[in-house]
Parts: sequence; structure tokens; C-alpha cells
Amino acid sequence: KQEVTQIPAALSVPEGENLVLNCSFTDSAIYNLQWFRQDPGKGLTSLLLIQSSQREQTSGRLNASLDKSSGRSTLYIAASQPGDSATYLCAVRNSGGSNYKLTFGKGTLLTVNP
Amino acid sequence: GAGVSQSPSNKVTEKGKDVELRCDPISGHTALYWYRQSLGQGLEFLIYFQGNSAPDKSGLPSDRFSAERTGGSVSTLTIQRTQQEDSAVYLCASSLLLYTDTQYFGPGTRLTVL
Repeated sequence: KQEVTQIPAALSVPEGENLVLNCSFTDSAIYNLQWFRQDPGKGLTSLLLIQSSQREQTSGRLNASLDKSSGRSTLYIAASQPGDSATYLCAVRNSGGSNYKLTFGKGTLLTVNP
Repeated sequence: GAGVSQSPSNKVTEKGKDVELRCDPISGHTALYWYRQSLGQGLEFLIYFQGNSAPDKSGLPSDRFSAERTGGSVSTLTIQRTQQEDSAVYLCASSLLLYTDTQYFGPGTRLTVL
């Protein structure tokens, strides 16, 4: 059974810092990995999707990497801003069995202080 | 264009009542998914639709839960005889294709069972 773990559970940084959020998964047989952002009381916004054949994806100040063999992904946020404050969720889609669903971690609550 | 929409945004009900939650996916998306996010828990997969068909209903928590999709578009999640443990945010997502595409999430329905 796929399990996804995110570390740290919470992170507080001053504005302008670069930061890294970590995601690990137990079963390396995945189709893709997706990073989401969730604002309080809101749904999920997709940030980046990395296919299993890819090593990284970039969008603006965000860079996500994937090391499928070791079961790890990182989300790098450059020059953090208060508007980046949110919960960041990592989710994987398996390549076999229940390959139609996403398995989520419990998220990292990020606070960027002005 | 329009994203995934869900209604109602909030629902408060009494224990034992039935509730219906609605999801309007992005137009043209063939796959639709329901997830549940309980306080302190991660996102839990409930059920998916490919077209109007739900091939795997094993993620539904109990037989009080059911879902349908009509016309390859709108989906309804019904919870009969609600219990307090059903209180959660119910999220709907859709994707163009089932297996490899980004899942786009709606804002969710917050269900509170008194």
C-alpha cells in the first residue's frame, strides 16, 4: 500500500528565504507525482506535475524534483513571499493496481512572515 | 475557463438526515474523482468515474455512501443517515484523461453533522 510522508509538518520562514519541502513515498512504481497548494477553506490548486520519466519541473519560483528510485520529491520555493503561505500537499499516482487515484501526504503548513 | 465547481459550499445537517453533494467538472473532462478531507487527516480517495461508470467503489467508507454521474458531466455524492464522523470537507476533482493528467480540484463542500 502506497504511503506518502511530508516533512516538515509545519515551517515558518522570513520573507525572502529560499526553502525546501520534502515528500517521500514507499512504492516507487508511480505514474506521476503532483504538488498542490491549499489555502484555508479552499480547494487544491495544482502547482506542478512530474511524470515518472521526468526528473524535475519548474514554474516561476517553484522547482520540483523527483527521484523515483529513492521514493523522494522536493519542492523548492525561491525568494519566498507572504502570499506563499499555505499548506503544500504532495500526491502520487501509482502505475499499477489502483492507478486512478492520488495518494496524498498530510501536507506541510508554510508560513512566510513579512 | 470555468473550473470545477461544487455545491453547496457549506452544509450543516442533523445526524440521521440524508445529504447530496454536487460536483460540476471542467467541460470535456472524462474522469471525475471524489475525495474526503477530515480534520487532522490527509485526503482520502472515495470513488472515481470514467464517463458515467464507477468501476471501483471500494473506497467508499460505508454502504451509506453512494455516487452517480450522469451525461458524463455532473456527479452527485449522497450520504444517507449521516453520522458525526461523516463531518469533513468533500472535494471533487476532474481530469481530461484518467491515468496521466493533472487533476483539477473544486473548492469543496464542508459538511458538518450535528
